[in-house]
Amino acid sequence: EPEVTQTPSHQVTQMGQEVILRCVPISNHLYFYWYRQILGQKVEFLVSFYNNEISEKSEIFDDQFSVERPDGSNFTLKIRSTKLEDSAMYFCASGFRDRTYEQYFGPGTRLTVT
Amino acid sequence: AQKITQTQPGMFVQEKEAVTLDCTYDTSDQSYGLFWYKQPSSGEMIFLIYQGSYDEQNATEGRYSLNFQKARKSANLVISASQLGDSAMYFCAMREGGSGTYKYIFGTGTRLKVLA
Repeated sequence: EPEVTQTPSHQVTQMGQEVILRCVPISNHLYFYWYRQILGQKVEFLVSFYNNEISEKSEIFDDQFSVERPDGSNFTLKIRSTKLEDSAMYFCASGFRDRTYEQYFGPGTRLTVT
Repeated sequence: AQKITQTQPGMFVQEKEAVTLDCTYDTSDQSYGLFWYKQPSSGEMIFLIYQGSYDEQNATEGRYSLNFQKARKSANLVISASQLGDSAMYFCAMREGGSGTYKYIFGTGTRLKVLA
């Protein structure tokens, strides 16, 4: 069964460094998302991406964040200058236009900023 | 205002018993979807069940069923015959139809502990 994959599973970085979180969505999906979950809290929407552009972003998704779909398969989230409060689990999700618009979540990347 | 409310931060249930996890939502959209996800301690998000706003029947998936009461804006998850492996965090989420992005809005979750 096709699945969303994310790499790395865990990333440790120093404050101020740039990180790139990578995702490979399911191949025939059209909608792509990043969500964030700070430890012990709820999952929060960051950004959605459709037709090669951002379709919506949350207040969390400030200028430090960017997303890219550099080729036909990868979907990346870049944080330019990480802060301690960026420490969280980052989930990538993808979906397509069917009855439910269900999103398929990847296993997540745990980002630790020290 | 909270769009998805899960009022039970933690629940206990005896193995083999049924348990209901509460979820209420708020939307002005006519078309929306409600989802439940399970998050074990390993962290991944596991899809459990979906209910569409226009679905007349309550959704069921194996031991999971969704008690959908549209007028009350509630979408409670019922787990029948609880198993030890059901111990996890459970999130209710809503997908609104109007924005075109189909993003999910999550509740704060309920931590379920199944007791042997």
